[in-house]
Parts: sequence; structure tokens; C-alpha cells
Amino acid sequence: SQTIHQWPATLVQPVGSPLSLECTVEGTSNPNLYWYRQAAGRGLQLLFYSVGIGQISSEVPQNLSASRPQDRQFILSSKKLLLSDSGFYLCAWRMGRGSPLHFGNGTRLTVT
Amino acid sequence: GQQVMQIPQYQHVQEGEDFTTYCNSSTTLSNIQWYKQRPGGHPVFLIQLVKSGEVKKQKRLTFQFGEAKKNSSLHITATQTTDVGTYFCAGPNNNDMRFGAGTRLTVKP
Repeated sequence: SQTIHQWPATLVQPVGSPLSLECTVEGTSNPNLYWYRQAAGRGLQLLFYSVGIGQISSEVPQNLSASRPQDRQFILSSKKLLLSDSGFYLCAWRMGRGSPLHFGNGTRLTVT
Repeated sequence: GQQVMQIPQYQHVQEGEDFTTYCNSSTTLSNIQWYKQRPGGHPVFLIQLVKSGEVKKQKRLTFQFGEAKKNSSLHITATQTTDVGTYFCAGPNNNDMRFGAGTRLTVKP
């Protein structure tokens, strides 16, 4: 069966520090991968998605970036965090259009 | 691009009362998905509707897809405390899914 791993679960980082969140999927090949962000008590904002290795689509211009170095690995990064980057970051995968999204447990990021 | 609006933003009910959340799209959808996020958790897929006018049931949950495939609803009959959480609808947008803002349901025992 397929599983998705996302870490760390919680993170407290100072303003201006770098960020690296990692997500891996097991049990499937060539999944579509997604990064969403959720502010406290709010909806899900799509940040990036990838339909293949090295293919990244960005939805919101900001100081975040994403990379997909391997088929089942998706990384969210920042060189310098802002206070507004605080939130709940969710990685998700699916097999393609028309299939459901499967979310990781998320990372709660607090930028201080 | 495609936008999905969801109402209400919050709903507080007494246990045993019914609950409904509504989702509307600015464009016709090929399908619509519903997710539930428990407090402190991550969204979990509930169901997908594809056909115009489709109705699906999962125990006390009834999902409907409008005839024009631009709106959908989730109805919970006789809510229980285990129903607490935020319910999201999501519509496809090319290779991604666009989520409504969600309806946060609280249930008073």
C-alpha cells in the first residue's frame, strides 16, 4: 500500500533562517506531488505541484521554492523565512487527474 | 482561474441536529471531491462525485452534485461529536485541486 511521509512534524525557526521540508511517498511510481499551506483556521492554499522529476509548477510567487530530485521525493525550501511563512504545511500525492489527494501529517511551522 | 466558494464558514450545532455545507464553483467541474480535517489533523478524502445530479451516501453523510456540475453539498444527519472538524470541497484545475475555504463544524454534546 502507498504511504506518505512528511517531516518534521513541528518546527520553530527565526526570521531570516533557511527552511527545508521533505516529503516522500512509498508504494507508487510517478505520483503527482503537491505542497499546500494552511494558515490557522483557514483553507488550503496550493503552493507548488509536480507531475514529474524536475517539473515544478508554482502557484504563488513568494520566497519559497520546491524541488523534486527523485520520483517520490518533494522538498519545500526557503533561503530566508518571513513571519508570514508561519503555517501548517501539507504535502500530498495522487496518481493523476480525477484521483483523490492523499495528505501527509503536515508540518507546523512557526517563524519567530 | 477556477474558484470554489464554500459556505458557511462556521457551523455550531447541538448533537443530533443536522448539518449542511454548500460548495459553488465559478466554472463547470468534471468532478468534485470532499475531504474532512479533524482538529489538529490533515485532510482525509471522503468521496468523489462525477456525474450530473449524482447523490452518494456514506452512513449519515449524503453528498450531492448539482445538475449543472457547478455546485455540491454535504449533509450530515443527526450529527455526533465524532463529526467535529472542517469539511472541504475541492474541484479540479488542470493538474491540481482547488479547495474551498472549508466549513468548520462544532458539535455540542
